[in-house]
Amino acid sequence: EVQLEESGGGLVQSGGSLRLSCAASVFTFTDYAMSWVRLAPGKGLEWVSAISGSGYTTYYADSVKGRFTISRDNSKNTLYLQMNSLRVEDTAVYYCAKARRGVIPFDSWGQGTLVTVSS
Amino acid sequence: QSALTQPASVSGSPGQSITISCTGTSSDVGGYNYVSWYQQHPGKAPKLMIYDVSNRPSGVSDRFSGSKSGNTASLTISGLQAEDEADYYCSSYTSSSTVFFGGGTKLTVL
Repeated sequence: EVQLEESGGGLVQSGGSLRLSCAASVFTFTDYAMSWVRLAPGKGLEWVSAISGSGYTTYYADSVKGRFTISRDNSKNTLYLQMNSLRVEDTAVYYCAKARRGVIPFDSWGQGTLVTVSS
Repeated sequence: QSALTQPASVSGSPGQSITISCTGTSSDVGGYNYVSWYQQHPGKAPKLMIYDVSNRPSGVSDRFSGSKSGNTASLTISGLQAEDEADYYCSSYTSSSTVFFGGGTKLTVL
């Protein structure tokens, strides 16, 4: 069974930075695109960013473009999300998700890591 | 406001059927057969229930089915069970190579 484990969440002040990690196992990591999806308190799921299996192609939601950077280290089976210029509205549980093929659908999810941005 | 429109809530009694709609545009739902549906229980990770409009992953009950007409996709759950009570989200690939989710629908089993 696919395993995805996020880490790196925490409390940060508005304008600060944080880097999330997602350790993947039990599948050939380089064969699949990966995404970050977040769930803000009282709101619905929001796709944040995706990266191709090779890492050469990246995609971003308009809400994070220019502030967040997705990357992956295929030698370490690890996905990253560098979050800069954080805003209060970025407060959410962040999930990493594996694509079944292409960019979607997301057939495996981690348990999430909570990011809280204070003012 | 979410990119895809879902009803905020639906409800049904055990054994009944319910349908959740997901309305987008020709640039997302209507333009691609890449609509998927996710079930999320409180405090848990989302679970893929339907992909590519109407396909079920292995292990998902055949009580769950999906369809699409024009810019609107639908998830139908037949033979409602107590454990179906959860939040349901649709999502779609878009012409901008991004992904939209719906705002989510809270299903209550009465």
